[in-house]
Amino acid sequence: DAGVIQSPRHEVTEMGQEVTLRCKPISGHDYLFWYRQTMMRGLELLIYFNNNVPIDDSGMPEDRFSAKMPNASFSTLKIQPSEPRDSAVYFCASGATAQSYNEQFFGPGTRLTVL
Amino acid sequence: DAKTTQPPSMDCAEGRAANLPCNHSTISGNEYVYWYRQIHSQGPQYIIHGLKNNETNEMASLIITEDRKSSTLILPHATLRDTAVYYCIVRVVGTGANNLFFGTGTRLTVIP
Repeated sequence: DAGVIQSPRHEVTEMGQEVTLRCKPISGHDYLFWYRQTMMRGLELLIYFNNNVPIDDSGMPEDRFSAKMPNASFSTLKIQPSEPRDSAVYFCASGATAQSYNEQFFGPGTRLTVL
Repeated sequence: DAKTTQPPSMDCAEGRAANLPCNHSTISGNEYVYWYRQIHSQGPQYIIHGLKNNETNEMASLIITEDRKSSTLILPHATLRDTAVYYCIVRVVGTGANNLFFGTGTRLTVIP
């Protein structure tokens, strides 16, 4: 298996632009998580899905952020409009209920820079 | 989920055992101890987990005290590739709340 796939790996955009981050979870996994990592705040959970349904979005910073999971093999995290303070590394992770210990598998991350 | 306390940084000589401590004095009976690590510029990686018994896998050993208020992750023969931030996480398993709370972790530097 190729593991969790994220695209793009790097994104540089200007303030006010729309940004869409993409994630393909590991096949067969029924949980998908979006995290954000910054030097100031560390690694924080934004939202997670179970069977394509959003379960907890309390970590989404504000209405500019939205996440979707139209099917079991694809999820997007959108920021519109983007701001410089959104600059961070965004990680997607997936996991399987079938695993007894709920390990999460992380993707390589997308480094977002908003100018 | 219970809060954990880890030293911010540690050094270890290459080839020696690295012992990373974690305090979790408010842990509940149904909470597991998990360890993840994050190598620079990569996503976090699962290492090991345990409830109350000591655990060992191909990566590391986990020693949990009898009162479960603290634990130690042991990398038996540290290599330069083990240089990373190590996160100790305490959480309930199987409740549906599968999110992980990553604190600040311990930055381990393996020295040649």
